[in-house]
Amino acid sequence: AQKITQTQPGMFVQEKEAVTLDCTYDTSDQSYGLFWYKQPSSGEMIFLIYQGSYDEQNATEGRYSLNFQKARKSANLVISASQLGDSAMYFCAMRLLMEYGNKLVFGAGTILRVKS
Amino acid sequence: GAGVSQSPRYKVAKRGQDVALRCDPISGHVSLFWYQQALGQGPEFLTYFQNEAQLDKSGLPSDRFFAERPEGSVSTLKIQRTQQEDSAVYLCASRLELAGGSYEQYFGPGTRLTVT
Repeated sequence: AQKITQTQPGMFVQEKEAVTLDCTYDTSDQSYGLFWYKQPSSGEMIFLIYQGSYDEQNATEGRYSLNFQKARKSANLVISASQLGDSAMYFCAMRLLMEYGNKLVFGAGTILRVKS
Repeated sequence: GAGVSQSPRYKVAKRGQDVALRCDPISGHVSLFWYQQALGQGPEFLTYFQNEAQLDKSGLPSDRFFAERPEGSVSTLKIQRTQQEDSAVYLCASRLELAGGSYEQYFGPGTRLTVT
């Protein structure tokens, strides 16, 4: 079965510093996609970044980068230059590309608090 | 509107009542998903539509849960005889393409259901 594990229930980071949120995944499929979503207290899920299993380079989107280590089955999110507005819940998710419908399987999330 | 909308945003139901939750996906999006998010947890897949066809309902927790998308656009998630364990945020998401690729799911703001 597919599973996403986020081992950090909560994280603190000082404003303007970088922070890494951990994510490991478990699947026997070769074709899959990994996502990170941000969920502020208002509740909406905001897409941040995507990494395909066959992508050779780590994905980057502005201050977000994904540290993809395929052999270790990890897909950590790195946020550089943290801002107060980054305080939110962060979810790692996986999608199996050969599975019909491609539903997302989510981890339990990590709460990030940015301190001023 | 440009995004996925859901109504109502908040719903309080007495145990045993039936509820109906509505989702308006982004116009033209083929795929529609429902997720259930318990407090402090990641979203969990409930069901998937491709246009009007419900192709995966493996995540529906019981036969009290029913979803439909009769014209391939608006979807309704109905919960009959609500129970306290049904209390959660119900998220709807839509996606443009059928399967594969890096297209993310666009999430609505969710409906927070509280069963008393």
